[in-house]
Amino acid sequence: SAVISQKPSRDICQRGTSLTIQCQVDSQVTMMFWYRQQPGQSLTLIATANQGSEATYESGFVIDKFPISRPNLTFSTLTVSNMSPEDSSIYLCSVRQEGFNYGYTFGSGTRLTVV
Amino acid sequence: ILNVEQSPQSLHVQEGDSTNFTCSFPSSNFYALHWYRWETAKSPEALFVMTLNGDEKKKGRISATLNTKEGYSYLYIKGSQPEDSATYLCAVNSGNTPLVFGKGTRLSVIA
Repeated sequence: SAVISQKPSRDICQRGTSLTIQCQVDSQVTMMFWYRQQPGQSLTLIATANQGSEATYESGFVIDKFPISRPNLTFSTLTVSNMSPEDSSIYLCSVRQEGFNYGYTFGSGTRLTVV
Repeated sequence: ILNVEQSPQSLHVQEGDSTNFTCSFPSSNFYALHWYRWETAKSPEALFVMTLNGDEKKKGRISATLNTKEGYSYLYIKGSQPEDSATYLCAVNSGNTPLVFGKGTRLSVIA
């Protein structure tokens, strides 16, 4: 299965600043997904990132707040912009494994604390 | 909106005990159910992907069953060990839709 390198693993940020999270996959994949888990909540899909087109955002998430880049089939970034304490979460990237019995592989997550 | 429920929210068991948790989901438009094991600061680890009603899968001391008609899956751990301590996530997708997760069951195994 694919291996995903995600960084940073954690960060503490001041409110009003932005943080960019990176995910590098060791193989080419069509679709990459960005999730967040707020304290006590489910892992929630933010957006789907496809190479060569704009990301598709889920209800409640907007591009201005969570801009995503997908410059090639092995890399993507998620930026959390103008952060507030409510953005404190674990952020995860994920890829769907073609031919891997429909399984999904995840990065190790970015634990973000906004103070 | 697809809603996935997991219970219990957390569980404390003694080493050697067997335990199980539940994942419930809407039975309509079901495509696949996924179980993950998630330890802090690590990637969620895929345990099982199940698609057919009546599926039973096993991986070492961990097994899972699936009932798509009534919309539930059970995850069983036999003879729990401290290294089984983790959050167990259930996720469901319908067709080509992305995964929808439950809130997870946090398991603590006490030596």
